[in-house]
Amino acid sequence: RKEVEQDPGPFNVPEGATVAFNCTYSNSASQSFFWYRQDCRKEPKLLMSVYSSGNEDGRFTAQLNRASQYISLLIRDSKLSDSATYLCVVTLPDSWGKLQFGAGTQVVVTP
Amino acid sequence: NAGVTQTPKFQVLKTGQSMTLQCAQDMNHNSMYWYRQDPGMGLRLIYYSASEGTTDKGEVPNGYNVSRLNKREFSLRLESAAPSQTSVYFCASSGQVNEQFFGPGTRLTVL
Repeated sequence: RKEVEQDPGPFNVPEGATVAFNCTYSNSASQSFFWYRQDCRKEPKLLMSVYSSGNEDGRFTAQLNRASQYISLLIRDSKLSDSATYLCVVTLPDSWGKLQFGAGTQVVVTP
Repeated sequence: NAGVTQTPKFQVLKTGQSMTLQCAQDMNHNSMYWYRQDPGMGLRLIYYSASEGTTDKGEVPNGYNVSRLNKREFSLRLESAAPSQTSVYFCASSGQVNEQFFGPGTRLTVL
């Protein structure tokens, strides 16, 4: 079983709409959670960290549900430039600096 | 600042050939990492170096060796390339927190 699982998509979203997707993680002791963004054939870049209380960064909202072991990302007012693959990332206890990556969820924003 | 740089960008090898992938960072980060990314899979950690002078195996170290040449540079060597090592290789670095900064990647094909 993979440590981090994501729906690969693609999620096809009209420009201006809202899209949300989840990621599940298998280890209940996972400590830190992140969303990275990866554009086609480019390197991953940190989008946002995910805090227990949930957090927002502009049009992006991330939530953590420890009881059900998933994190979510919601994108409001989608822009064409939001088209990318979103990678869910967790860290495990006693694994300093080592990140566990999901395979990614592809989002395609259409005009 | 250039961030994290990698060379080469592309490489084609024949089975059994050797090569070294170079990585350098100019952010004064202590930790550096090598990942591979294959279609449908998340990034998988090959080796990492928590600080200058130390290296440790990650999830998929077989067939690879690394050298932390100094604080800036971390190289990955394939001694005898195999078709299963066809992949995109990313180098990353991180400072005090878990945010990792990635290089642009090396696309390697082994025939």
